[in-house]
Amino acid sequence: NAGVTQTPKFQVLKTGQSMTLQCAQDMNHNSMYWYRQDPGMGLRLIYYSASEGTTDKGEVPNGYNVSRLNKREFSLRLESAAPSQTSVYFCASSESGFGQGTEAFFGQGTRLTVV
Amino acid sequence: GQQVMQIPQYQHVQEGEDFTTYCNSSTTLSNIQWYKQRPGGHPVFLIQLVKSGEVKKQKRLTFQFGEAKKNSSLHITATQTTDVGTYFCAARSGYALNFGKGTSLLVTP
Repeated sequence: NAGVTQTPKFQVLKTGQSMTLQCAQDMNHNSMYWYRQDPGMGLRLIYYSASEGTTDKGEVPNGYNVSRLNKREFSLRLESAAPSQTSVYFCASSESGFGQGTEAFFGQGTRLTVV
Repeated sequence: GQQVMQIPQYQHVQEGEDFTTYCNSSTTLSNIQWYKQRPGGHPVFLIQLVKSGEVKKQKRLTFQFGEAKKNSSLHITATQTTDVGTYFCAARSGYALNFGKGTSLLVTP
């Protein structure tokens, strides 16, 4: 049982380049999330998707776009990468969402450096 | 989103000492979750608290949810080097799951 799989694990981009971070879960979860983690800032929510076909902005959505391709996959796109987007990105999923306490399962993370 | 504040940001203890991290919210929470992230790893779910005044234990870890459901704490008794990592609290706001900034625990043998 793979859980939440993120690709790639590491990436170096030049300023202005674009890329898509891929995330897939095999737990049949409805909700999926993208976070970024920076030193001293904790985990900040970029975008989330409550169910297939829906996406919503989190705390720090600027500079990012997302696609909930199907129930399994939730991708994060950087259209024009900036050094401020250097971070570790985590994808997560949970069984349900609204106000309910179902645990979130995280992927291994993508370490992105923008030079 | 619902904001949860965690203190302290860092804690350095000697092995065997106790450790506590606190999570506070200005609004009433429906529930609160705790996660642990080992260095270089990803966050892993520890526990969820739902009821006012709830106390749950996992071996040396004790989790509490305040009576007003606005604060929570995680207490580790007699820390071990395996407890090293960052501990996060997280709270729901609608469908979003928002995390505190975490408390990084360093344990010296």
